[in-house]
Amino acid sequence: GEDVEQSLFLSVREGDSSVINCTYTDSSSTYLYWYKQEPGAGLQLLTYIFSNMDMKQDQRLTVLLNKKDKHLSLRIADTQTGDSAIYFCADHRSGGYQKVTFGTGTKLQVIP
Amino acid sequence: NAGVTQTPKFQVLKTGQSMTLQCAQDMNHNSMYWYRQDPGMGLRLIYYSASEGTTDKGEVPNGYNVSRLNKREFSLRLESAAPSQTSVYFCASSASDRGAGNTIYFGEGSWLTVV
Repeated sequence: GEDVEQSLFLSVREGDSSVINCTYTDSSSTYLYWYKQEPGAGLQLLTYIFSNMDMKQDQRLTVLLNKKDKHLSLRIADTQTGDSAIYFCADHRSGGYQKVTFGTGTKLQVIP
Repeated sequence: NAGVTQTPKFQVLKTGQSMTLQCAQDMNHNSMYWYRQDPGMGLRLIYYSASEGTTDKGEVPNGYNVSRLNKREFSLRLESAAPSQTSVYFCASSASDRGAGNTIYFGEGSWLTVV
């Protein structure tokens, strides 16, 4: 089956950059997403990237996609305590949203 | 601006009891979803409704039933709850079930414990 894998935990100091990594197995992925989940809340879409792109930048967020290695990363520049949350990688295969597969989530802890 | 609203937020059930999780969205979205979130397993799709009047099984449908009552509402029913159904349940919606950047909006979650 299709898998999306992430490390479970990342700790960084406030002001440093955070890099959250994700690997996926399905080569037919068309879009890849990053979602953020704050405590006690649902998931919010942060950003997404088309599978034919290598990089997407949106303010403090940079998404890098290595399609050959099926590796996706999310870099958060100047990480703030408000960035503490769980970050989910998700891939969307063609055929509709019922084929979105979520990773296990990476818990980002920002140390003041 | 409510978005996706689900109730109840917390529920404790005894094994064998039944209950229904309610979900409503006010964004005029066509597609709605129910996911469960378990530690170390990400989100798994239970059922989805691509449009009003249709429902389909997701990855983990066993033990659940759904009803798309109208365009706004999509309920999830546990007929005979089991401890394995202890989880956090999320309802979600999107404008349609396909298309680039078609954002999925999530509710705040329902914490269900089956004892």
